[in-house]
Amino acid sequence: GENVEQHPSTLSVQEGDSAVIKCTYSDSASNYFPWYKQELGKRPQLIIDIRSNVGEKKDQRIAVTLNKTAKHFSLHITETQPEDSAVYFCAATSNMRGGADGLTFGKGTHLIIQP
Amino acid sequence: DTGVSQDPRHKITKRGQNVTFRCDPISEHNRLYWYRQTLGQGPEFLTYFQNEAQLEKSRLLSDRFSAERPKGSFSTLEIQRTEQGDSAMYLCASSSRWDTEAFFGQGTRLTVV
Repeated sequence: GENVEQHPSTLSVQEGDSAVIKCTYSDSASNYFPWYKQELGKRPQLIIDIRSNVGEKKDQRIAVTLNKTAKHFSLHITETQPEDSAVYFCAATSNMRGGADGLTFGKGTHLIIQP
Repeated sequence: DTGVSQDPRHKITKRGQNVTFRCDPISEHNRLYWYRQTLGQGPEFLTYFQNEAQLEKSRLLSDRFSAERPKGSFSTLEIQRTEQGDSAMYLCASSSRWDTEAFFGQGTRLTVV
């Protein structure tokens, strides 16, 4: 099955600086890669996703890049703000079995924005 | 309410008791997933329903676990003879396609004492 590794586990950045979180996956069949943000005590919520037919996607201060050859993808947050503090999870899945296997998540990155 | 709802939000039970959780997905979503999340970890896939059919079960889902989605709408997850290792947050998610946003519920936090 799929295995997703995520680094770092904790990331502390100064407000206004950029943050980068990296993930690798093992199954070359994976072709959908979402990122979820989970605030303390709340549900995971999608912030951005990317499909394997594109290499980069951007939404305001958030961008995701995908390298299919190396099987890794990264989340980039620019101009970080206090409300960006949360745990971020990367995930991967494929349509090999119609998505029946669900999402395989990384272990999460606790992003701390220092004022 | 257009989101995914789960009930109860919290459940404390004694070891050996049975518990049942409910999930109400977004009404137009035919895909429903159950995940388990422990502290400091990402959600782990448990099982998947497409409409009323349970199409996939993780090896994490032991024989003590059973899930249903009888009419293709709400779903229940039952744990029999609970063990302390079952203590976790149980999350339900629904989506319309395999490659679109999975909307998560608030989860049911289970504590087995």
